[in-house]
Amino acid sequence: GAGVSQTPSNKVTEKGKYVELRCDPISGHTALYWYRQSLGQGPEFLIYFQGTGAADDSGLPNDRFFAVRPEGSVSTLKIQRTERGDSAVYLCASSRQGNQPQHFGDGTRLSIL
Amino acid sequence: AQKVTQAQTEISVVEKEDVTLDCVYETRDTTYYLFWYKQPPSGELVFLIRRNSFDEQNEISGRYSWNFQKSTSSFNFTITASQVVDSAVYFCALSGAPTGANSKLTFGKGITLSVRP
Repeated sequence: GAGVSQTPSNKVTEKGKYVELRCDPISGHTALYWYRQSLGQGPEFLIYFQGTGAADDSGLPNDRFFAVRPEGSVSTLKIQRTERGDSAVYLCASSRQGNQPQHFGDGTRLSIL
Repeated sequence: AQKVTQAQTEISVVEKEDVTLDCVYETRDTTYYLFWYKQPPSGELVFLIRRNSFDEQNEISGRYSWNFQKSTSSFNFTITASQVVDSAVYFCALSGAPTGANSKLTFGKGITLSVRP
């Protein structure tokens, strides 16, 4: 498809487990962003990639969260030792270099039991 | 630090009414960008508009119009002749740059708009 693709669309797991969330950006978009949206709130920034490198990871809440983008395209957000408070919709966005808005995927709804 | 305030939480109107969604922002950047996104029940955030801090011209796109006023740090969004399909959560957002290290978006809490037939 032409848009940002996120998989899985839903993930339910038990507290303490490890999860990986995948984002496939729009082809040719060099900038990639992860956001987290809790119920009734606006999205909150987690991390920004320009190419393969994490240019800004100031939004990651703690060291249980980590993200990679090894080839400058697909990105994976990894959460270790999940907690119930990690339950949220995780959104990925991408944009083309140079003055273009961010385009969002449908998100992954993560539920920690 | 950047901040976006959407004081209205829920608005309900009858179809064909006009409705204005308010947005107030705070930033210390002299160059910044303002956005509106729509989030329908399906969940995907849909980009509606971006304005930069140097362009205070109002903009109209079909039934949508935006009023940017730097003097009051506001970027309000008006839907004319609302339709049921306009029902969604609307987010105002702010960034310091379109790309690069300052390009992350700071969102408001969103306004839930319900348009009744």
